[in-house]
Amino acid sequence: EADIYQTPRYLVIGTGKKITLECSQTMGHDKMYWYQQDPGMELHLIHYSYGVNSTEKGDLSSESTVSRIRTEHFPLTLESARPSHTSQYLCASSDITTGELFFGEGSRLTVL
Amino acid sequence: GENVEQHPSTLSVQEGDSAVIKCTYSDSASNYFPWYKQELGKRPQLIIDIRSNVGEKKDQRIAVTLNKTAKHFSLHITETQPEDSAVYFCAATYSTLTFGKGTMLLVSP
Repeated sequence: EADIYQTPRYLVIGTGKKITLECSQTMGHDKMYWYQQDPGMELHLIHYSYGVNSTEKGDLSSESTVSRIRTEHFPLTLESARPSHTSQYLCASSDITTGELFFGEGSRLTVL
Repeated sequence: GENVEQHPSTLSVQEGDSAVIKCTYSDSASNYFPWYKQELGKRPQLIIDIRSNVGEKKDQRIAVTLNKTAKHFSLHITETQPEDSAVYFCAATYSTLTFGKGTMLLVSP
């Protein structure tokens, strides 16, 4: 079934650790996105990509980085996690013909 | 860039009442206006969308209206049910979606 898969779903780590949040989609979409969202709150765009080897920063300043080496894969990396990074991270992709955005189930990160 | 304002931030209604959520946008080039519903603990999902060449669209109990001149669009939910309780996000785009801050809708039985 076509979907967007995020791992891990939940992660608790200590300050200073390096982490990578994985996102893979089987939707066949070129555009992919990372949003940061506190529960029930505003969706903040932190990174997006138009396709392979394309990455752009979003509206919210973020200390994370992304890469897009394969169309279906768009991982997000935090080199040194801090408590302020505690949040939910949602990966998404969009259909170029309709513009509809499809979200993954999210990765909930807690930094102690 | 685009700026989307959404009101109200919270909305409480009785089951069976109607609910209206309003959004305004700033970029007159925006041509696609989706609405997403996010239930507690779940991912946002598209419930209805409208394009700039259409003034109104309906899907069962939900409808969206668009006024391009005034640059605002609204979500209307009729005969609300407890399962309509969720956070609703409007968005506008020409190329990359800009979301409103969300409206928490609570439908009481």
